[in-house]
Amino acid sequence: KAGVTQTPRYLIKTRGQQVTLSCSPISGHRSVSWYQQTPGQGLQFLFEYFSETQRNKGNFPGRFSGRQFSNSRSEMNVSTLELGDSALYLCASSPLAGVGYEQYFGPGTRLTVT
Amino acid sequence: GESVGLHLPTLSVQEGDNSIINCAYSNSASDYFIWYKQESGKGPQFIIDIRSNMDKRQGQRVTVLLNKTVKHLSLQIAATQPGDSAVYFCAENSFGSGTYKYIFGTGTRLKVLA
Repeated sequence: KAGVTQTPRYLIKTRGQQVTLSCSPISGHRSVSWYQQTPGQGLQFLFEYFSETQRNKGNFPGRFSGRQFSNSRSEMNVSTLELGDSALYLCASSPLAGVGYEQYFGPGTRLTVT
Repeated sequence: GESVGLHLPTLSVQEGDNSIINCAYSNSASDYFIWYKQESGKGPQFIIDIRSNMDKRQGQRVTVLLNKTVKHLSLQIAATQPGDSAVYFCAENSFGSGTYKYIFGTGTRLKVLA
């Protein structure tokens, strides 16, 4: 089975711009979660989608949004980029949503905001 | 590759020795725990998991111990190899207030000395 894929792998944007990141989960997985990873804050949960519905949301401002399509692929959007948004954005998929399901991570998208 | 964490605690271990990585978790109601390994430039990779009704679980060269009394989790790696060099994260998965979430520890960098 192919693993979780994320595109693009690297991205450089200017402050004030917006960005869309894409995640394709493992075939058959219906839950997709997004995380932000920075050296200072570690891994922080952004949101989780299951069956095209946001099931869970972390403590991030409304500039961070996402969606999931009927094929379980997910996109994450960040509007009005700030320098502090520079981070590694990780996507993880699992067969179902809820407690006790192992999450498989993609390689991440490295976003640099200048 | 990307820097997962610039100021992570570091454990240096001689090749062939056993490694013990510790993690304190926050929620006594957490039901499920996972250890992840993250190598430079890659997303976290699942190592082993344990549910709250267990104290110990063994995998190939790895053992996870759970002490619910003090909310402590440890990962033991037997006969540590150079390929074990990475950042290791624990994650707790809990359900509460009608939702569930993953909380990740800050991570420990394991350096294997030849």
